[in-house]
Amino acid sequence: EIVLTQSPATLSLSPGERATLSCRASQSVSSYLAWYQQKPGQAPRLLIYDASNRATGIPARFSGSGSGTDFTLTISSLEPEDFAVYYCQQRSNWPRGITFGQGTRLEIK
Amino acid sequence: EVQLVESGGGLVKPGGSLRLSCAASGFTFSSYSMNWVRQAPGKGLEWVSSISSSSSYIYYADSVKGRFTISRDNAKNSLYLQMNSLRAEDTAVYYCARGRPGSGYYYEWGQGTLVTVSS
Repeated sequence: EIVLTQSPATLSLSPGERATLSCRASQSVSSYLAWYQQKPGQAPRLLIYDASNRATGIPARFSGSGSGTDFTLTISSLEPEDFAVYYCQQRSNWPRGITFGQGTRLEIK
Repeated sequence: EVQLVESGGGLVKPGGSLRLSCAASGFTFSSYSMNWVRQAPGKGLEWVSSISSSSSYIYYADSVKGRFTISRDNAKNSLYLQMNSLRAEDTAVYYCARGRPGSGYYYEWGQGTLVTVSS
């Protein structure tokens, strides 16, 4: 099983600041990585797929980068609605063995 | 608009059974593979099971293999998860999620249904 490790566990920032979230895979997943946002009481929402492609309707302030084992989600200038939990997910062995990271909580400083 | 509505969750004793349903609308259900993903209280996301559009291919996470059965009825636009031999560690919100052809990502999600396994 491919293990995804996200860091930091919690990130405290202010609106307007830049957020950088990391996801590291235990082995190469090529570019088969996605990022999701989840707010309390809601289902996750797909933000980025294939490491760097924004999903439909996702604002341009969200961007993804990386390949192999190291990936980054960047939010260029935080809006109040961006404070949430973010998960990475790999599909390298799809349709089997899909795994998620443990999440990064982005909180208001 | 794509809509996925889960139902069937509730409180069940260890060793018991439960059947979850997911009613789909707003798209051609029979053309898409479907998935179940769960989230234990306060925890992260875990893929549970996937089924291809025609039910030809079915996959399970090791944690549920032999206990859970995924199925679908394309005539009723519905996805199911039969859960047997339930354990406390199966307690979670269960989400129905739709992918896209050839994709292992989850583009649309239902609101989830809570399953609690407790005596």
